[in-house]
Amino acid sequence: EPEVTQTPSHQVTQMGQEVILRCVPISNHLYFYWYRQILGQKVEFLVSFYNNEISEKSEIFDDQFSVERPDGSNFTLKIRSTKLEDSAMYFCASKRDHGRNTIYFGEGSWLTVV
Amino acid sequence: LAKTTQPISMDSYEGQEVNITCSHNNIATNDYITWYQQFPSQGPRFIIQGYKTKVTNEVASLFIPADRKSSTLSLPRVSLSDTAVYYCLVGDYNQGGKLIFGQGTELSVKP
Repeated sequence: EPEVTQTPSHQVTQMGQEVILRCVPISNHLYFYWYRQILGQKVEFLVSFYNNEISEKSEIFDDQFSVERPDGSNFTLKIRSTKLEDSAMYFCASKRDHGRNTIYFGEGSWLTVV
Repeated sequence: LAKTTQPISMDSYEGQEVNITCSHNNIATNDYITWYQQFPSQGPRFIIQGYKTKVTNEVASLFIPADRKSSTLSLPRVSLSDTAVYYCLVGDYNQGGKLIFGQGTELSVKP
């Protein structure tokens, strides 16, 4: 089965520091997403990305967040100045094309802000 | 996006069939019904998707009545490894449509 891969699996950072979470979506997929899950809570949508631009974002995705596809394979989420409440599992996901295809999730990057 | 309601938790025993029902009274014409499974500290994993009637794959069946206001995920002969959270999602995932997760159903399979 195709895989979305994420790095790092776990990162501890100090409040106020910048963090970059990296994802390699499934090859030839066109739609990319970031979700997060705070411990014990539900999975929340952050942002979707298509054709090198954000197609939709949630209220959570404020100015401290940004996404980028720096090359043909990576998709990154940057958190500019981390806060304690940013501690969560961040999931990258991808979808093949415009149709009602499966959205595949990575295993997640666990971010702990101290 | 249609709101979904599913039980918060369910218990079962190994070897039993488990049916998890999801209510989605305001489902729209273009909406599909999708189920995901999530183990602790892992990403959600696609189980099955359907529009109407019955869909079956190697891991589960999905039953959708004619009015589509509910759906039932059926897991045949569960094992301990099926202990997980199961999410029912309803939406039109055409184009780049996002998934909106609810609280899900925490299934606990006991020996």
